[in-house]
Amino acid sequence: GQSLEQPSEVTAVEGAIVQINCTYQTSGFYGLSWYQQHDGGAPTFLSYNALDGLEETGRFSSFLSRSDSYGYLLLQELQMKDSASYFCAVLMDSNYQLIWGAGTKLIIKP
Amino acid sequence: DTAVSQTPKYLVTQMGNDKSIKCEQNLGHDTMYWYKQDSKKFLKIMFSYNNKELIINETVPNRFSPKSPDKAHLNLHINSLELGDSAVYFCASSQDQRLAGSTDTQYFGPGTRLTVL
Repeated sequence: GQSLEQPSEVTAVEGAIVQINCTYQTSGFYGLSWYQQHDGGAPTFLSYNALDGLEETGRFSSFLSRSDSYGYLLLQELQMKDSASYFCAVLMDSNYQLIWGAGTKLIIKP
Repeated sequence: DTAVSQTPKYLVTQMGNDKSIKCEQNLGHDTMYWYKQDSKKFLKIMFSYNNKELIINETVPNRFSPKSPDKAHLNLHINSLELGDSAVYFCASSQDQRLAGSTDTQYFGPGTRLTVL
């Protein structure tokens, strides 16, 4: 079967840095994506890694190590509006569908 | 202008009924999807539809059927609704993932909260 593991909940302080890890075991792999979802809202795309290394987009960065089947999302200078759930998802090379992790609820305290 | 829209936003219905959820995207994308998100926030792909090629998640009951009148629309029909169908259903779209150089960005609609009584 396919599985993605990420912590269910992470707590951090406003202005700090937080890292959300994701490990995956899938029968295929094309790339790793990260999505943000606020309560009551729809998932919105954050980043995508197809190759090993770090991708930076403003305060958010995402890292991938294909050999370790591991990636992480790094959020810097945390703001209260970053309180949301963050999902990692593997894009399958067989059918180009996304297999999703269970999501990490990020709680930010002032 | 809304990129991906769904109607209705809320749907409350009785067990056994048949219902439809509509989805439209104005992004010119080739691929559309339906997802189910349950109360524990698990997001599960139900279908993807690309240029009339339908890929079905094998765990989806055949009571669920997608219908695409054209490239910009992918509607979801559900027959004989059951209590366990209660969830939020998201429509999404993306460029054809198989095109060289395409990135994985799916654009989601606002979701339809389905409650089966």
